[in-house]
Amino acid sequence: NAGVTQTPKFQVLKTGQSMTLQCAQDMNHEYMSWYRQDPGMGLRLIHYSVGAGITDQGEVPNGYNVSRSTTEDFPLRLLSAAPSQTSVYFCASRKTYGTQYFGPGTRLLVL
Amino acid sequence: AQKVTQAQTEISVVEKEDVTLDCVYETRDTTYYLFWYKQPPSGELVFLIRRNSFDEQNEISGRYSWNFQKSTSSFNFTITASQVVDSAVYFCALSEAGTGTASKLTFGTGTRLQVTL
Repeated sequence: NAGVTQTPKFQVLKTGQSMTLQCAQDMNHEYMSWYRQDPGMGLRLIHYSVGAGITDQGEVPNGYNVSRSTTEDFPLRLLSAAPSQTSVYFCASRKTYGTQYFGPGTRLLVL
Repeated sequence: AQKVTQAQTEISVVEKEDVTLDCVYETRDTTYYLFWYKQPPSGELVFLIRRNSFDEQNEISGRYSWNFQKSTSSFNFTITASQVVDSAVYFCALSEAGTGTASKLTFGTGTRLQVTL
């Protein structure tokens, strides 16, 4: 049982480049979410999903896309990276009303 | 809208001191969940505790204890006899019950605890 896994651990992008942050969980959790963590701001919700085929926006969705084709995977896409998207990204999952468990994080630097 | 306030940005203590991390929350829901997470220097987020809004019993786990008071909308976290390994950023978080946005955790801005010898 690997829990929540994220790849890559660290990524450097140039402004305008696109990339996908991968997230997978093997706990059969219905809910999956993406958060970003910035200094002094805690964690903020980007997008979330309540099940395969269902996604919705969180607090800071602009510049990010998500999809949920399977229960296990919830990738986050940056369509055109901007320096403001430099952050640490955490994926999380949980069962209905369960405790949310987080992946190890992806550190993204946009130059 | 839900909100979590951790007024203490940074706390420094000497090892073996007791320390309390404050958390005040706002929500219109009558059913909600409160959490504490620890983020050590390595960066991962470690779940510590979850508390339901209808259960106001205090919780003790080893050197950790939590005091939940609905009357003051607070969910404070105390570490007894702190150790250097307790040095981390601690986040309080709130989740409202229900479907849809139920997956949303609202986090406080965190309290950085530094424990020195």
